Amino acid sequence: KQEVTQIPAALSVPEGENLVLNCSFTDSAIYNLQWFRQDPGKGLTSLLLIQSSQREQTSGRLNASLDKSSGRSTLYIAASQPGDSATYLCAVAQGGSEKLVFGKGMKLTVNP
Amino acid sequence: NAGVTQTPKFRILKIGQSMTLQCTQDMNHNYMYWYRQDPGMGLKLIYYSVGAGITDKGEVPNGYNVSRSTTEDFPLRLELAAPSQTSVYFCASSLIQRYSSERLFFGSGTQLSVL
Repeated sequence: KQEVTQIPAALSVPEGENLVLNCSFTDSAIYNLQWFRQDPGKGLTSLLLIQSSQREQTSGRLNASLDKSSGRSTLYIAASQPGDSATYLCAVAQGGSEKLVFGKGMKLTVNP
Repeated sequence: NAGVTQTPKFRILKIGQSMTLQCTQDMNHNYMYWYRQDPGMGLKLIYYSVGAGITDKGEVPNGYNVSRSTTEDFPLRLELAAPSQTSVYFCASSLIQRYSSERLFFGSGTQLSVL
């Protein structure tokens, strides 16, 4: 059974820091991996999707990498801002399955 | 472009009551999903559908039913509400084709309390 882990569960940093958020998964036979952002009381917004054949994806200040063999993905946030404060979740689509398995998320607070 | 629309946003039910959570998407996505999110527990898949007329169970289907009569709509039915069904419910959709998939789009959620 696929398990997705995000450690730590919460992180508080001062504005301007470059951040690395971690996601690990137990079964490397994945179809793709997505990083999501969730603001309090809101739904999830997909930030980046990495197909299993890709190594990384970039969008603005965000860069996500994928290492299937080691079962890891990282989300890099450059020059963090208070507006980046949110919960970040990663999810993997299992190969041959239409279902995503989510991590429990990491709550990020960027202090001015 | 509305995306994924869920109604209602909030609802309080008494034990044993029933209700339907509505979900509609206007992106012509073939895949639709229902998740529940409990504090500190992540998202759990309740049911999903790969197209009109086709539905299947997820991780936590007990106490729920779904139907998919059109591409756009995917309602979730609670027949006999129980306190354990107190949660935030999210509908989501995606376009998945052979050898490719697009991002998952979520609705804004329904906060349900069963008292």
